[in-house]
Amino acid sequence: SQTIHQWPATLVQPVGSPLSLECTVEGTSNPNLYWYRQAAGRGLQLLFYSVGIGQISSEVPQNLSASRPQDRQFILSSKKLLLSDSGFYLCAWWTSGGSYNEQFFGPGTRLTVL
Amino acid sequence: RKEVEQDPGPFNVPEGATVAFNCTYSNSASQSFFWYRQDCRKEPKLLMSVYSSGNEDGRFTAQLNRASQYISLLIRDSKLSDSATYLCVVPYNQGGKLIFGQGTELSVKP
Repeated sequence: SQTIHQWPATLVQPVGSPLSLECTVEGTSNPNLYWYRQAAGRGLQLLFYSVGIGQISSEVPQNLSASRPQDRQFILSSKKLLLSDSGFYLCAWWTSGGSYNEQFFGPGTRLTVL
Repeated sequence: RKEVEQDPGPFNVPEGATVAFNCTYSNSASQSFFWYRQDCRKEPKLLMSVYSSGNEDGRFTAQLNRASQYISLLIRDSKLSDSATYLCVVPYNQGGKLIFGQGTELSVKP
């Protein structure tokens, strides 16, 4: 069966520090991968998605970036965090072999920028 | 019009009540729709998919009205464990991109 891992589970970082969040998927090949952010009391905002190794699409302008160095690895990064980067970061995957457009989410990383 | 718009909530209902949530979407070309459930401080999990006029799974019924571009979720005989935020989700295109509504919070009280 497929599983999706995210780490760390929680993170507290000072403003201006770098960020690296990692997501890995097991049990599937060539998935589409997604990074979402959910601010407190808000809906999910799609940040990046990737259809393959090295292929990244950005949905909103921001100081975050994403990379996909391996088929089942998706990394979210920042060189300098802002207060507004605080939120719940969720990684998700989807494949055309599964239910149409159904996405599965990882457990998330709760980031607090102070 | 927002791409996906849900009832603002929160909904506070007693156990055993029937509650319905509505969701409207702007993309008339959308073919499939989803309701996800999100527990406090947890990731969203798929509750129901809707591909035609509706879908029923136990106490949960999802209905789709393509002409009016809205989806509803009906929960019968509410349980305490139904307390969560319910997210209406509409595909943006056929490439797996999804648009999430803001969510409707449900609180079921004893």
